[in-house]
Amino acid sequence: KAGVTQTPRYLIKTRGQQVTLSCSPISGHRSVSWYQQTPGQGLQFLFEYFSETQRNKGNFPGRFSGRQFSNSRSEMNVSTLELGDSALYLCAGARDPAYEQYFGPGTRLTVT
Amino acid sequence: AQSVTQPDIHITVSEGASLELRCNYSYGATPYLFWYVQSPGQGLQLLLKYFSGDTLVQGIKGFEAEFKRSQSSFNLRKPSVHWSDAAEYFCAVGGQLMDSNYQLIWGAGTKLIIKP
Repeated sequence: KAGVTQTPRYLIKTRGQQVTLSCSPISGHRSVSWYQQTPGQGLQFLFEYFSETQRNKGNFPGRFSGRQFSNSRSEMNVSTLELGDSALYLCAGARDPAYEQYFGPGTRLTVT
Repeated sequence: AQSVTQPDIHITVSEGASLELRCNYSYGATPYLFWYVQSPGQGLQLLLKYFSGDTLVQGIKGFEAEFKRSQSSFNLRKPSVHWSDAAEYFCAVGGQLMDSNYQLIWGAGTKLIIKP
């Protein structure tokens, strides 16, 4: 079966702009988690959605938001981009929040 | 507070040598345990998981891990490493405490370097 897909794979944006990233989990997986990964901070949890409801949220400012659709696809949005938002954004799907997560290849965001 | 510690930021091992990556956790309940591997510029791939039962877990790519409750550890091992094992390895611990949602907590990762 198809794996987790993330679009776009690469993105270059300017400070102050906003960006929307998309994630489609494996069919049947209703939980989607988002992570930010940077060399200095490692893997940081952003938020998790299950059946269109946000279940958990990490310690990120309100500029970071997300949502999940009825088909389990999820989007995350970052408004008013800052240079420090440059990172690899990973999403992971799971059949259930307590099950193992399956990761997409990530979206590499560069903010200039 | 719940936490996961991977004490080694980097580990260098000669090709063909054995490997052990350490993972210690602090958690107030019986946890679910995972090891993931990440090659440069890629997403994370699940190596193995422990939910219950036999404390020695076999995974993909010849890896295994042993859950030791008394030591709060879940160390990853491989008897003979290959150059293709060079990557970053993450330990994760999941569980649900009273009055909270299930949460997954990640270690900081260990970068494995293979010497030819």
